Amino acid sequence: GQQLNQSPQSMFIQEGEDVSMNCTSSSIFNTWLWYKQDPGEGPVLLIALYKAGELTSNGRLTAQFGITRKDSFLNISASIPSDVGIYFCAGMNYGGSQGNLIFGKGTKLSVKP
Amino acid sequence: GAGVSQSPSNKVTEKGKDVELRCDPISGHTALYWYRQSLGQGLEFLIYFQGNSAPDKSGLPSDRFSAERTGGSVSTLTIQRTQQEDSAVYLCASSLTGGNGYTFGSGTRLTVV
Repeated sequence: GQQLNQSPQSMFIQEGEDVSMNCTSSSIFNTWLWYKQDPGEGPVLLIALYKAGELTSNGRLTAQFGITRKDSFLNISASIPSDVGIYFCAGMNYGGSQGNLIFGKGTKLSVKP
Repeated sequence: GAGVSQSPSNKVTEKGKDVELRCDPISGHTALYWYRQSLGQGLEFLIYFQGNSAPDKSGLPSDRFSAERTGGSVSTLTIQRTQQEDSAVYLCASSLTGGNGYTFGSGTRLTVV
């Protein structure tokens, strides 16, 4: 079945730095979603992308739907401490298997010691 | 309600006992997912309900797991004869049509002792 490769698995951030993470797939998706999960909570939707090539921003977050429909990236500019958490990408094909929603394994953001 | 509600938030059970986890989706949402998340891991798909269609049960790990959705609203995930490896956070998510981003509940943390 479809699988998503999300990288990096983890990264340390220093306040003010820009952060980038991405997801790739062996097959195409019609929609890409990016979620953030804080400890003890469910994932919260950050950005949804519906069209190949689409570039969408939500505050300091910017995400793009790759032109090949097989990849997406998320950038966080000028990171702040509350950005720490786990970020998940998800690809969706309406009517596909697994109820059409496939998640990456997550990128864990931590503060640099 | 305003969001996806899951109960209980925490459940400790003895090995071999049955447990029921409940999910109240957002009113009017036709699509509902159950996921399992082990400590520090990604989201493992369990089951997907979409309207009146037959559910996609392809993610259920064994026949000890079952789920139902009554009246197209509330869903219950049942785990029979619980094992220690069932310990995880069980997350529920719902969506208006299945073609949009999903809203997650805060999860039920299940501990089997």
